[in-house]
Amino acid sequence: DIQMTQSPSSLSASVGDRVTITCRASQSISSYLNWYQQKPGKAPKLLIYAASSLQSGVPSRFSGSGSGTDFTLTISSLQPEDFAIYFCQQSFSTPFTFGPGTKVDIK
Amino acid sequence: QVQLQESGPGLVKPSETLSLTCTVSGDSISNYYWSWIRQPPGKGLEWIGYIYYSGSTNYNPSLKSRVTISVDTSKNQFSLKLSSVTAADTAVYYCARAPVTRDYFDYWGQGTLVTVSS
Repeated sequence: DIQMTQSPSSLSASVGDRVTITCRASQSISSYLNWYQQKPGKAPKLLIYAASSLQSGVPSRFSGSGSGTDFTLTISSLQPEDFAIYFCQQSFSTPFTFGPGTKVDIK
Repeated sequence: QVQLQESGPGLVKPSETLSLTCTVSGDSISNYYWSWIRQPPGKGLEWIGYIYYSGSTNYNPSLKSRVTISVDTSKNQFSLKLSSVTAADTAVYYCARAPVTRDYFDYWGQGTLVTVSS
């Protein structure tokens, strides 16, 4: 199985901050990397697919980059509704696997 | 608007079989891959497996011996059966859709908590 790691596991930030979350795969996954946002009691929501493609309806302050084993999710200007947990997920091969998540909370 | 809704018992006894159904509305179940994903309370996400509308399946090897996913295109539903459950199978279970490329999960159900306890 491809193992996914994320850093940091949690971070505190203020509204308006630029936030960067890193995801690393245990082997090359090309660009088969997706990012999801999950709020308490809700299902994950797709933000970014194929490493850098913005899902329809997702604000442009979210962006993704990377390929191979190292990927980043960037929120250019954190908004109050962005406080949540963010997961990466590889779709290069089955079993599909997720990172452990990064919790973004209010400083 | 595509909507997915999980249904099934919220409590299952140890050693019994967990059974859930996902009903899809707003689009046909055809031409997509349909997955089950679970999340133990306070923990991360685990992909259980998927089924294509034609009936072909792919399961997570960690659960393969206990999982069956089936599809009923006439009802626009797909289902999960997980046998011989233990407390470790307690989780929120989500159904989710992936496009034919299987690259990502673009629609999710709201999730249903299944507790394994006697």
